[in-house]
Amino acid sequence: AQSVTQPDIHITVSEGASLELRCNYSYGATPYLFWYVQSPGQGLQLLLKYFSGDTLVQGIKGFEAEFKRSQSSFNLRKPSVHWSDAAEYFCARTRRGNEKLTFGTGTRLTIIP
Amino acid sequence: DTGVSQDPRHKITKRGQNVTFRCDPISEHNRLYWYRQTLGQGPEFLTYFQNEAQLEKSRLLSDRFSAERPKGSFSTLEIQRTEQGDSAMYLCASSLGRDDEQYFGPGTRLTVT
Repeated sequence: AQSVTQPDIHITVSEGASLELRCNYSYGATPYLFWYVQSPGQGLQLLLKYFSGDTLVQGIKGFEAEFKRSQSSFNLRKPSVHWSDAAEYFCARTRRGNEKLTFGTGTRLTIIP
Repeated sequence: DTGVSQDPRHKITKRGQNVTFRCDPISEHNRLYWYRQTLGQGPEFLTYFQNEAQLEKSRLLSDRFSAERPKGSFSTLEIQRTEQGDSAMYLCASSLGRDDEQYFGPGTRLTVT
C-alpha cells in the first residue's frame, strides 16, 4: 500500500533561517507528490506538486521541493522563513489514475524571533 | 469567494445522535472527496464522487456513515448513532477532474460527547 512518512513531528526554526521538511514515500510506480500547508482554522492549501519532468519544483510562498527517486524523498525547502510560515505541513501522494490522497502525519513548524 | 465551503464549521453532539454535514464544491468541479482528520494525524480518505456517482469508499467508512451527491453538485455526509471515536475534522475537497489539484474546504469539526 502507498504510504508517506514525515519523520519530524515538530521543527523549530528562527525567522530568516532556512528550512527543510522531510518526506519519504513508499515504493510505487509514478508517484504524484504534493505538499500542503494547514494553518489553524484554515483549510489545506496546496504549496506545490510533482507529477513528472523537472525534479525541482517551485511552489507558492517561496517554497520548493526536490523529487529524488533514488532516496524515495520529496523534501520541502525554503531559503528564509517568515513568522507567517508557522503552520502544519503535510506531504501527500497519489498515483496516476487513483487520485485519493494519502497523507503523512504532518510536521508542525514553529518560528522563533 | 468561490472556494469549497462546508457547513457547519463546528458541531457538538451527544453520543448516539445522528449528524449531517454539507459540502459545496467549486462550481465547475465534477469530483468531490471526503477526508477525516483526527488530532495529530494527516487527513485520511473516506470516499469520493464523480458527479453523482460514488466511485470509491474507504474501509474507514463504516455502515453508520453514508455520503451522497444527489445532483452532482453539493454533497452530504451523514453519521448515524455517533460514537466518541467519530470526533474529528471532516474535510471536503473538489477537483476539476482526474489527476487535477484538489481544493479543500475549511472542514467541519465534530465533537461527540
